[in-house]
Amino acid sequence: AQSVTQLDSHVSVSEGTPVLLRCNYSSSYSPSLFWYVQHPNKGLQLLLKYTSAATLVKGINGFEAEFKKSETSFHLTKPSAHMSDAAEYFCVVSVAYNNNDMRFGAGTRLTVKP
Amino acid sequence: NAGVMQNPRHLVRRRGQEARLRCSPMKGHSHVYWYRQLPEEGLKFMVYLQKENIIDESGMPKERFSAEFPKEGPSILRIQQVVRGDSAAYFCASSPTAQGGYEQYFGPGTRLTVT
Repeated sequence: AQSVTQLDSHVSVSEGTPVLLRCNYSSSYSPSLFWYVQHPNKGLQLLLKYTSAATLVKGINGFEAEFKKSETSFHLTKPSAHMSDAAEYFCVVSVAYNNNDMRFGAGTRLTVKP
Repeated sequence: NAGVMQNPRHLVRRRGQEARLRCSPMKGHSHVYWYRQLPEEGLKFMVYLQKENIIDESGMPKERFSAEFPKEGPSILRIQQVVRGDSAAYFCASSPTAQGGYEQYFGPGTRLTVT
């Protein structure tokens, strides 16, 4: 079975400083990994995904994530935070052959201070 | 190309009433998933449907909850005799395929409040 652990429930950064949201996964099979963002009272929007191609994945709004198999991690980063980045971020793992089995992390709330 | 649509966006029901949540997938998508999100938690999978078929309902409570995805029309998640613990945000997602690596596209959710 697969699962994800988001290591921080809340991260606070200042505008213009780097963002790091941490995610570790567990999977018996080759995983597909996703990061979704949820703004208040909105649905989830896909930021980026990893599906066994390049290990460094670039997404929308300047976010990127690196798949590290040896560390079973898929951390999300952004060089410079913007106020509009304040939201809830979810790391998601699915089994490569069966994407209906998607497991969500508990989420990391990102706060951006002016 | 409209995204995944859900209605109503907000639903208030008294204990014991029925709640019906609707989801129209993206055009061309025949795979629909329902999730529940409790406050301060991630999304929990409930059920996965294709047109006219329930493929996986392992995350759905056995009693009071049912889902369908008819040949015509939206997918419906029905909760009978609602209780306070059913208060949550319910999200629908769709995808064009169930093959690995394809993301799911999410609707804006229905926030159910049981009074």
